[in-house]
Amino acid sequence: GEDVEQSLFLSVREGDSSVINCTYTDSSSTYLYWYKQEPGAGLQLLTYIFSNMDMKQDQRLTVLLNKKDKHLSLRIADTQTGDSAIYFCAERHDRGSTLGRLYFGRGTQLTVWP
Amino acid sequence: DVKVTQSSRYLVKRTGEKVFLECVQDMDHENMFWYRQDPGLGLRLIYFSYDVKMKEKGDIPEGYSVSREKKERFSLILESASTNQTSMYLCASSLVGGLGEQYFGPGTRLTVT
Repeated sequence: GEDVEQSLFLSVREGDSSVINCTYTDSSSTYLYWYKQEPGAGLQLLTYIFSNMDMKQDQRLTVLLNKKDKHLSLRIADTQTGDSAIYFCAERHDRGSTLGRLYFGRGTQLTVWP
Repeated sequence: DVKVTQSSRYLVKRTGEKVFLECVQDMDHENMFWYRQDPGLGLRLIYFSYDVKMKEKGDIPEGYSVSREKKERFSLILESASTNQTSMYLCASSLVGGLGEQYFGPGTRLTVT
């Protein structure tokens, strides 16, 4: 099977950092993504990292990639109540009939307490 | 602004009814996808299409079919709705190549009674 694993829940206090972890399955994945889903909405791309990178920073977001362990993390600095959402990790395989398909984790529900 | 629209936000149908969920994208994307989302199970791929009239089964195609007659439109069909198909249905589209990010519609919450 193609199982991307992530923990289901994370709670943090406003102003703290949040770290959401993910393990993926395919060492040949070209891109890895983090999507955010707010209540009642579809998913939106939050950030991504190309497989030849170790780290990517975008304002409050830091993505770390450990290819050896197939581990991806998303750090949100100075977490705000507006960051409360479900965060999905996804990997992309580029081969054969799976071309274009993304494999998603089950999502991590982030709750930020004021 | 890129846009994926779904025909309904909420839908209530009876067991045994034939149900059509429509998805339209305005980005000229080749790929289109149908997922269902259930609590604790995340997104599960039902079907996807990489070209007009082409379709591929995802992980849970049983009880569903799809139609892609035009590039911008991808329909999900429940031939005979059952209560275990009560779920949130999400449509997405993407370009072939490049970053390959998927753009999602707002979802259709389907309840089968």
